[in-house]
Amino acid sequence: KAGVTQTPRYLIKTRGQQVTLSCSPISGHRSVSWYQQTPGQGLQFLFEYFSETQRNKGNFPGRFSGRQFSNSRSEMNVSTLELGDSALYLCASRLQETQYFGPGTRLLVL
Amino acid sequence: QQQVKQSPQSLIVQKGGISIINCAYENTAFDYFPWYQQFPGKGPALLIAIRPDVSEKKEGRFTISFNKSAKQFSLHIMDSQPGDSATYFCAASMGGSSNTGKLIFGQGTTLQVKP
Repeated sequence: KAGVTQTPRYLIKTRGQQVTLSCSPISGHRSVSWYQQTPGQGLQFLFEYFSETQRNKGNFPGRFSGRQFSNSRSEMNVSTLELGDSALYLCASRLQETQYFGPGTRLLVL
Repeated sequence: QQQVKQSPQSLIVQKGGISIINCAYENTAFDYFPWYQQFPGKGPALLIAIRPDVSEKKEGRFTISFNKSAKQFSLHIMDSQPGDSATYFCAASMGGSSNTGKLIFGQGTTLQVKP
């Protein structure tokens, strides 16, 4: 089975812009979670989607949003980018309690 | 109460030695405790996981020890190899279908195994 794929792998944006990141889960997995990884804050949970519904949300501002499509693919969007949004954004698909992570999208905000 | 505290921040071990990483939690609602391994440029990969009804779980050279009363758990890597050099994260999640997808991670431990 193919693993979790994320696109794009690298992205450079400027402050104030918005960005959309994409995640394709492992075939058959209906749950997708998103995490932000930074050197200072570590790995932090953003949100989880299951069957197109947001089931859980972390402590991030409303600029961070997501959605899931009927084929379980998910996107996350960050609007009005700030310098502090520079991070590795990781997507994970889940089967029962095990989460399988993708390689991440590295976002740099200038 | 949602935190998972991990130590040490970094660890240097000689080849063949034992690497030990510790984690502590406060929230007794946590019921699933995985360990992830992350190499540079890669996403975290599940190494081993345990539930609180088990005090120890072993998979190859990797062992989780779990102390429910102390709310602590640790990862032991036996016969550490240079290829084990990576960042290790402990994590925890609560039960229930709406919580299982939310992992709370420790701060990470960078392990270097010297040849």
